[in-house]
Amino acid sequence: GAVVSQHPSWVICKSGTSVKIECRSLDFQATTMFWYRQFPKQSLMLMATSNEGSKATYEQGVEKDKFLINHASLTLSTLTVTSAHPEDSSFYICSAHTSGIPYEQYFGPGTRLTVT
Amino acid sequence: KQEVTQIPAALSVPEGENLVLNCSFTDSAIYNLQWFRQDPGKGLTSLLLIQSSQREQTSGRLNASLDKSSGRSTLYIAASQPGDSATYLCAVYYNQGGKLIFGQGTELSVKP
Repeated sequence: GAVVSQHPSWVICKSGTSVKIECRSLDFQATTMFWYRQFPKQSLMLMATSNEGSKATYEQGVEKDKFLINHASLTLSTLTVTSAHPEDSSFYICSAHTSGIPYEQYFGPGTRLTVT
Repeated sequence: KQEVTQIPAALSVPEGENLVLNCSFTDSAIYNLQWFRQDPGKGLTSLLLIQSSQREQTSGRLNASLDKSSGRSTLYIAASQPGDSATYLCAVYYNQGGKLIFGQGTELSVKP
């Protein structure tokens, strides 16, 4: 099956700094990628949908100036958490789907962000 | 509102039992439904994908069914093993919206 990677797998940063998370589709071209966050014992919450070469579409309640998403190529999307605060600590997961039906999504292994 | 609901939230069974996890969704206009497994602190592992035109999919000891008219899917796990312990997530790709909607998950514990 298709493989999606994320880097880093975990990161610790100080409050006020910015952190970039990369999501790559390794063996297919992903015109659309998605970013989710997951709090402990909760399900995945979609943050934004990222289309290659265009601006991301953010879900209601997600601050687009805080969570910057760039999808510059068909195999790479990045999520930058700007001026991170402890409440941004979470598990961030990206996914990508191939174009057209069946729209099966392939998920990355996730990035654990801890803001101290 | 497009929602996905999973029942029960948690389930504990002895090893060897057959079990059923339930997923319901509010709109029958879907492209597909996926079942995932998530181990603690890990990402998602796709288990089964059922297209809207299909009724069920099988992989090893897992069988997933889909009934669009009633808005329900079940994941059947045969002869459960301790290694099946994980959280199981159901997600629906609705025609409207172009995104996966996840249920809250069922946390399964299989006791040896």
